[in-house]
Amino acid sequence: QQQVKQSPQSLIVQKGGISIINCAYENTAFDYFPWYQQFPGKGPALLIAIRPDVSEKKEGRFTISFNKSAKQFSLHIMDSQPGDSATYFCAASGGETSGSRLTFGEGTQLTVNP
Amino acid sequence: GAVVSQHPSRVICKSGTSVKIECRSLDFQATTMFWYRQFPKQSLMLMATSNEGSKATYEQGVEKDKFLINHASLTLSTLTVTSAHPEDSSFYICSARAAGLAVTGELFFGEGSRLTVL
Repeated sequence: QQQVKQSPQSLIVQKGGISIINCAYENTAFDYFPWYQQFPGKGPALLIAIRPDVSEKKEGRFTISFNKSAKQFSLHIMDSQPGDSATYFCAASGGETSGSRLTFGEGTQLTVNP
Repeated sequence: GAVVSQHPSRVICKSGTSVKIECRSLDFQATTMFWYRQFPKQSLMLMATSNEGSKATYEQGVEKDKFLINHASLTLSTLTVTSAHPEDSSFYICSARAAGLAVTGELFFGEGSRLTVL
């Protein structure tokens, strides 16, 4: 129940294209869904996050779509750039006992070709 | 955004020695800090949760006597890998939750510490 499933494992996109990464969760107590971007040898950095009271959140080129009934959420990167090449992790937290403990997805290695 | 600093960023040690990694919240008070371990091309695995002034809570399978965690102040948590062995070589990352942000759940991550045990 604590798992967060992420797909695809790797993704190659041409510059200017749309990158889409999907995540699914089981625990209905989750109420906070962040996406993190991680470059090699660095810690993860918060990209964008959403709560279940909205179905979509957009910040610049990054959009989270959230489907509460399907227990799925996805990250869309519009106009993908080579500088977006990194590993992306979805995560989830929530519930009385979580204390902000994040459960991470397996990660997606994104490569944006110039 | 809030800054979490980890030190050292890289450390190489001999097998059998102990290594201490520091995690500091630079511009906020962190009531809770989390320690993660990440192997190459894998996700982050939560090792333990530490609350200021109390004992850390370890995840199942994590040896508390091997990975000593101290959270003595609201801005500093330390992870000590005792009697390190080559299999302890990994990327260790801390994260911190700011006091007052418990509702949002937002965590701030450090830059990570690469431990290599020879």
